[in-house]
Amino acid sequence: AQSVTQPDIHITVSEGASLELRCNYSYGATPYLFWYVQSPGQGLQLLLKYFSGDTLVQGIKGFEAEFKRSQSSFNLRKPSVHWSDAAEYFCAVAPYNFNKFYFGSGTKLNVKP
Amino acid sequence: DAGVIQSPRHEVTEMGQEVTLRCKPISGHDYLFWYRQTMMRGLELLIYFNNNVPIDDSGMPEDRFSAKMPNASFSTLKIQPSEPRDSAVYFCASSRQGADIPTEAFFGQGTRLTVV
Repeated sequence: AQSVTQPDIHITVSEGASLELRCNYSYGATPYLFWYVQSPGQGLQLLLKYFSGDTLVQGIKGFEAEFKRSQSSFNLRKPSVHWSDAAEYFCAVAPYNFNKFYFGSGTKLNVKP
Repeated sequence: DAGVIQSPRHEVTEMGQEVTLRCKPISGHDYLFWYRQTMMRGLELLIYFNNNVPIDDSGMPEDRFSAKMPNASFSTLKIQPSEPRDSAVYFCASSRQGADIPTEAFFGQGTRLTVV
């Protein structure tokens, strides 16, 4: 069965510092991977997605993620965090050719001034 | 396109009452999902439709929950009777099946349901 694990429930970083949010998935074949962001009171917005090809994918708002098959990971990174990045971040996986999305439990990011 | 539209944005109801949540997916999308978000359980998939047909309702918690999609542009999630533990944010999302791969899910703003 497919599953997504985000081991960090809360993360606090200082503004300007780098960020890495972890995501591990469990899936037998090549997955399709997504990162979403949710600001308070809002729906989820897609940051980036990985389907195939280059394992380093660029997204909106300066985010990137790297797919590592050997580690079953798809970690989200940003070199310099802005206060407006404070939000909750969700990793998701979808099986091949199957529109069903499995979400992780989310990581809440707090940004210190 | 206006995106996925959900109504109402907020709903407060008394225990035992019927609640109906509404969703209009993005035009041209053939998949529609209903999710529930709570602090305790995170984001749970309740049910999803493909071409208006329910495909997987294994996430629907109880028979009190039902969902319909009478046409490609409208879906409802009904709770009857409602209970305080149903209080949550309910999201509707839609997506389109690509040639070989799924496309991402687009989410509505959610309906915050409070059952008192």
